[in-house]
Amino acid sequence: QVQLQESGPGLVKPSQTLSLTCSVSGGSISSGNYFWNWIRHRPGRGLEWIGYIHYTGTTYQNRSLKSRLNLSVDTSQNSFSLRLSSVTAADTAVYYCARIPVGDSGEYFFDSWGQGTLVTVSS
Amino acid sequence: DIVMTQSPDSLAVSLGERATISCKSSQSIFFTPNSKNYLAWYQQKPGQAPKLLIYWASTRASGVPDRFSGSGSGTDFTLTISSLQAEDVAVYHCQQYFTSPYNFGPGTKVDIK
Repeated sequence: QVQLQESGPGLVKPSQTLSLTCSVSGGSISSGNYFWNWIRHRPGRGLEWIGYIHYTGTTYQNRSLKSRLNLSVDTSQNSFSLRLSSVTAADTAVYYCARIPVGDSGEYFFDSWGQGTLVTVSS
Repeated sequence: DIVMTQSPDSLAVSLGERATISCKSSQSIFFTPNSKNYLAWYQQKPGQAPKLLIYWASTRASGVPDRFSGSGSGTDFTLTISSLQAEDVAVYHCQQYFTSPYNFGPGTKVDIK
């Protein structure tokens, strides 16, 4: 059974870059059968999809964040990463990594999730 | 963008009673060529990550008890817990995957009365 685990700093200063990595175990990120996602949950708001990456490097991002967002994948480490630049307090959230199964019908639902990691943006 | 709303914000139900949560999308998420509604439901227990409960509006994910059911089509959807158990205390989120961005509803908190 696949497991996802987020890691990265819990505190980031305003205007700096937030960097997180999701390590995948119990399955290969290179299997090609999945899109690998980032989702966040800001205080008092609903969950927000950030974007996904395929092991080939293909990405698709929420346009609300696209200008600040960089997604990458490291198949040798079986992991993928998020970098969000120029952060403000509004980027304070629990960040989750999650998996979408690749299918023929556009089934973009999230069938496995990491536990989440809280990132606070504060000086 | 498709906006998802849920009601109520929270509800308290007695053990063994039915819980019903509504989710509405700002435009239809029914795809006529394959007759599918692009809607998922998730359960998030306190301190845990969300867990997929239902997809295609009414298909239960693997291992999900049959007391959970999803229904609806087009813009109006319902998640029903037929007989609430103590372990069902959680926040329930709906999500549309008809088009990007794949937006979620604000969540509905379910507690025991």
